[in-house]
Amino acid sequence: DQQVKQNSPSLSVQEGRISILNCDYTNSMFDYFLWYKKYPAEGPTFLISISSIKDKNEDGRFTVFLNKSAKHLSLHIVPSQPGDSAVYFCAASAYGSGNTGKLIFGQGTTLQVKP
Amino acid sequence: DSGVTQTPKHLITATGQRVTLRCSPRSGDLSVYWYQQSLDQGLQFLIQYYNGEERAKGNILERFSAQQFPDLHSELNLSSLELGDSALYFCASSVEGFGSPLHFGNGTRLTVT
Repeated sequence: DQQVKQNSPSLSVQEGRISILNCDYTNSMFDYFLWYKKYPAEGPTFLISISSIKDKNEDGRFTVFLNKSAKHLSLHIVPSQPGDSAVYFCAASAYGSGNTGKLIFGQGTTLQVKP
Repeated sequence: DSGVTQTPKHLITATGQRVTLRCSPRSGDLSVYWYQQSLDQGLQFLIQYYNGEERAKGNILERFSAQQFPDLHSELNLSSLELGDSALYFCASSVEGFGSPLHFGNGTRLTVT
């Protein structure tokens, strides 16, 4: 049972344009969401997070939006740069799961930003 | 550099064998998590330790076990290896439980032949 889903395996955008990566979840107990970026031969790197009490969080070029009623979150990258080309993972956590902090990950979306 | 160190980077072994993967968490982090990433798959949670004690268990096979030592480093033991165990194994650490981002090491790539 895939509790966190990233339905787009890949996305290609032009440099300078907006990249929008999407993520859906099924578990209504999730209340903390994160985005990670992964380059080849490296581990995932934490990018940005949002808790369920917010619907938006910004950090520089990166903004995460959360729509709890739709169980959907998205990551916006503006403007996109070639160095943003990587695999992006959406992850979620539920406080009710014993406060362990474990994350459930989506399958990832490969973003390619073309110069 | 995340501060999480995993060794070895690569491991090639035969079916039926046993291997140990090692992880040193970031300084000050008490929680250690193990994840498995098979080809073209997402990261599957295996197990978590907090300050030496098992905190949460995921889809970890009975052939796999882990522990966290008093110095907080952790080891993941994989035994009776099968071809399907070939994967990237990531270790992550965090300061505490819920609400803290996990910081990942660069992984150990295990190839079972």
